[in-house]
Amino acid sequence: QSALTQPRSVSGSPGQSVTISCTGTSSDIGLYNYVSWYQQHPGKAPKVVIYDVSERPSGVPDRFSGSKSGNTASLTISGLQADDEADYYCCSYVGSYRKLFGTGTKVTVL
Amino acid sequence: VHLVESGGGLVQPGGSLRLSCAASGFIFSSFEMNWVRLAPGRGLEWVSYISGIGSTQFYADSVKGRFTISRDNAKNSLYLQMNSLRADDTALYYCARDYGGNSDGLDLWGQGTMVTVSS
Repeated sequence: QSALTQPRSVSGSPGQSVTISCTGTSSDIGLYNYVSWYQQHPGKAPKVVIYDVSERPSGVPDRFSGSKSGNTASLTISGLQADDEADYYCCSYVGSYRKLFGTGTKVTVL
Repeated sequence: VHLVESGGGLVQPGGSLRLSCAASGFIFSSFEMNWVRLAPGRGLEWVSYISGIGSTQFYADSVKGRFTISRDNAKNSLYLQMNSLRADDTALYYCARDYGGNSDGLDLWGQGTMVTVSS
């Protein structure tokens, strides 16, 4: 099973909004409402920012939001801040307790 | 609430290595656990899953038949036995806790342990 497809990079100025897409198939994103998103700063462990498509863990700012339409999930970061500069990965449940990650997107704050 | 991996290192192709993950601050046996890896220049890759009591395990196709996940709930520890290692197994290996229940996602990660497969 190939990795979910994400844009290699997105960028925005402070205060702006950016949206990262995550494209899968009818066997993963399209089949399950179990998409999660992870933020990873260089040299740090990944941190979940969205789970179950649109649920935000406690402590994650409401600037982070998730959605899904068909086989594509999206993560939107509004009010972009310098600390949002990181790599972001989507992840979908694919059945039998397996998960499939996306290719990763580097977010740059201009 | 912490996860701390150990056991990584340099190993020759075809060799073996056993990774450990020590859990603290939560009821370890109540949570499903996973191993996820990050290869240099590549993205995250899910490697393996184990149920709370250890009775169910699943693997990515890339490691099936070579890697074995296990846990010792009395020791609050998760393990990954890696055999027949290949160069493309070189990666930073993370243990990660699953939300479980009716949710899916990895809500707690360790800092990772590096595995390098090279002659």
